Amino acid sequence: QQQVKQSPQSLIVQKGGISIINCAYENTAFDYFPWYQQFPGKGPALLIAIRPDVSEKKEGRFTISFNKSAKQFSLHIMDSQPGDSATYFCAASVAGNNRKLIWGLGTSLAVNP
Amino acid sequence: DADVTQTPRNRITKTGKRIMLECSQTKGHDRMYWYRQDPGLGLQLIYYSFDVKDINKGEISDGYSVSRQAQAKFSLSLESAIPNQTALYFCATSDSWEETQYFGPGTRLLVL
Repeated sequence: QQQVKQSPQSLIVQKGGISIINCAYENTAFDYFPWYQQFPGKGPALLIAIRPDVSEKKEGRFTISFNKSAKQFSLHIMDSQPGDSATYFCAASVAGNNRKLIWGLGTSLAVNP
Repeated sequence: DADVTQTPRNRITKTGKRIMLECSQTKGHDRMYWYRQDPGLGLQLIYYSFDVKDINKGEISDGYSVSRQAQAKFSLSLESAIPNQTALYFCATSDSWEETQYFGPGTRLLVL
């Protein structure tokens, strides 16, 4: 059973457009929600992360929106660029010494020039 | 991330062979992880270690074993490789006080 459900599986956006990737979770004990970005031939790398005490976090063109009541969080990429073409993973974890990340299945984003 | 290295980067082996994938890190982190990535299946946790004396099974540990030789080294072994273990394998590290995981470049394994 997938604890973190990510959609869509793939996404094609035109240059300059907005890319939106969504994730939903069930475990209300999750308290940390990161997004990782993976380029072909590379390992994933942290892009941006949020905790449930805020509803939005922005870093440059990347924004996480968090809806605690709906148990959903999303990644918005404004002014999408071809260089943003990558696979994006959402994840979640529960506080504690045994913290592990629970991963979504990933979204392959292609930004057309 | 150059601070986390994996060897080999690519490996072709035959069914039934024993193979070891190695991971080294210079970040000084105490926590290390092995993941498997298959298309459409995301990142699946195989084993993780929170310190040298701590080894834990992940979601898909069957057919795999690990060894934490030192704080900086974490090896993954396939005792008898089978074709459905063909995948991309990633090592990652993190510090106990920080949630961010830092990934190596991956090892692409093909089992014939």
